Amino acid sequence: EAGVTQSPTHLIKTRGQQATLRCSPISGHTSVYWYQQALGLGLQFLLWYDEGEERNRGNFPPRFSGRQFPNYSSELNVNALELEDSALYLCASSSPDRNTEAFFGQGTRLTVV
Amino acid sequence: AQRVTQPEKLLSVFKGAPVELKCNYSYSGSPELFWYVQYSRQRLQLLLRHISRESIKGFTADLNKGETSFHLKKPFAQEEDSAMYYCALSSATDSWGKLQFGAGTQVVVTP
Repeated sequence: EAGVTQSPTHLIKTRGQQATLRCSPISGHTSVYWYQQALGLGLQFLLWYDEGEERNRGNFPPRFSGRQFPNYSSELNVNALELEDSALYLCASSSPDRNTEAFFGQGTRLTVV
Repeated sequence: AQRVTQPEKLLSVFKGAPVELKCNYSYSGSPELFWYVQYSRQRLQLLLRHISRESIKGFTADLNKGETSFHLKKPFAQEEDSAMYYCALSSATDSWGKLQFGAGTQVVVTP
């Protein structure tokens, strides 16, 4: 069974540009979660999508946004990139059943120069 | 506010020695507690959760509500235990995918 896949693996953008990161959940999973792992800040919860709706967001500015498509894949968009947005962005997915673990992808390394 | 604290950034132990990774949390209510592990060049994966009271790869973790701790222990460390370990918390009303992570503890097991 394929795991959570994220693309691209690496992304280099210039300050002020927009970045789009993609995530495909495990087949049958309807929830997708996004996390940011910045140097020195650890893993921070960003967004949670379930059945196409945003369920919760972490303490991040509005320029961090995303969506979930009918096939449950998801995009994370970061507008007006800042140098401190450089981080590893992890996506995770979980099944519709309550209290099931989330499975993580390998991440997208975003570098803002 | 909920918070997860892992006081040790790095833990270096010899093979065969016991290892204990500390985790303290602050949360008003009954949280769900987890330990995640990330081996070199692998993705983050769930090691164990308190609700299961299980032992995985020789690791156990006991939830102490009085001390608000969820320390991870293994009596005899192996070289393959070298990895980054994260303690994480989820609210009882949230999905287990919405997690508050600690800063992580890097474990290095030397032969």
